[in-house]
Order: sequence, then C-alpha cells, then structure tokens
Amino acid sequence: EVQLVESGGGLVKPGGSLRLSCAASGFTFSSYSMNWVRQAPGKGLEWVSSISSSSSYIYYADSVKGRFTISRDNAKNSLYLQMNSLRAEDTAVYYCARDVGTIFGSWGQGTLVTVSS
Amino acid sequence: DIQMTQSPSSLSASVGDRVTITCRASQGISNSLAWYQQKPGKAPKLLLYAASRLESGVPSRFSGSGSGTDYTLTISSLQPEDFATYYCQQYYSTPRTFGQGTKLEIK
Repeated sequence: EVQLVESGGGLVKPGGSLRLSCAASGFTFSSYSMNWVRQAPGKGLEWVSSISSSSSYIYYADSVKGRFTISRDNAKNSLYLQMNSLRAEDTAVYYCARDVGTIFGSWGQGTLVTVSS
Repeated sequence: DIQMTQSPSSLSASVGDRVTITCRASQGISNSLAWYQQKPGKAPKLLLYAASRLESGVPSRFSGSGSGTDYTLTISSLQPEDFATYYCQQYYSTPRTFGQGTKLEIK
C-alpha cells in the first residue's frame, strides 16, 4: 500500500523558514516523480513544485519560485520542501503527492504551515 | 497558465439524484483532465483521469466525459458518502492547475 507521511509543519513568523518532509513507503520511491500541493484554509488546491525521479527536472509555481526548494533523497525514500522568506499567503496545508504519469495519483494526509506574527 | 473554471461552485442534491459538474479550460487540453474528491479534513482522492478513465476502486456511478475545453463529471445515483468537494485538474501543461472546486451538499 502506498503511504506518504508529511511532517515539519508548524507556526512560523513572516520571513522565517521551515523544512517539510514526506516519508514514502509501499512503492519504489526512486521510480516516481513527486510533488508538493497546498491548500490554504477554506480554499482550493494549488500545485507548488515537482521533482522528477532522479531530480533532473524541477519545477515551481511562480508564487514560490526563488523562495522554496524541492529536493529528494531516494536512499531515504524521502521528499523535502525547504521554504524560505515565508509570507502570510503561504499559510496552508501542504500535501505530498506521487505522480502517476503526470497525475497526482496518491496523496499524503498533509501538514499545516501557519505563517503569522 | 491554463485556467480551469468549474460550475457550479456549490450544489445541493439528494441521495439517489443524478448530478453533473462542469469544468472548462481556458484552452484545449486534449483530455488531459483528472477529477478528485475531497472530504473535510482529508486529502484529495483521484477519481478519474484522461477525462473518462475510472481510477481503480472507484465506484462505477462516477463517470467523466468531454473533449477540447469542456468536461463533465457525472454521479449517476448519489450515495451518502459522495457528499464532498470535487476538483478538476488539467495536466496538459505546467503549471498543473485546478478548478476552484464544487461543494456537493445534502439537500
């Protein structure tokens, strides 16, 4: 069974940093592209970033480009999102999602990031 | 970026009803469309992809259709567990974008 477990969320002040992690199990992590998708409280879904299986291809939404960095460690079956220069509008539940083709086939339960002073 | 517009934004229906949700893309997306169901406090769940292909394990009362820029999700006979928010999403181009969601509520 595919399992994706996010961690690392919390309360951070504007301008601060946070690193999210996603632990994967139940599949061959190194064979799949992975993503971060977020959802602000009471709002819709927004794709944030993608990374290919070997980290060769990385993409970001314009809203986070230059502030967020996606990475992965295939030896540890883990996906990461380093978030710097955080803003109030980054407040959201952050989901890790596995690609099947280019479809978000499996999702974690999410981790809440709150940016507030 | 491709904009995805869903309608309606909310919908009230009864158990047993047939309901249809529409999703329109700002340009043609060649059936590169997925539908997700999300219940409160839970992660989204993939229902359909390639506009009309049912994800494994999803009940056959869910179906999808469409082409070009216009797509629909139909639930043939609503069950109590179907009351949730539904999102369409295009994967034709990056950034992958979602519709704003359709909240399906019990009448």
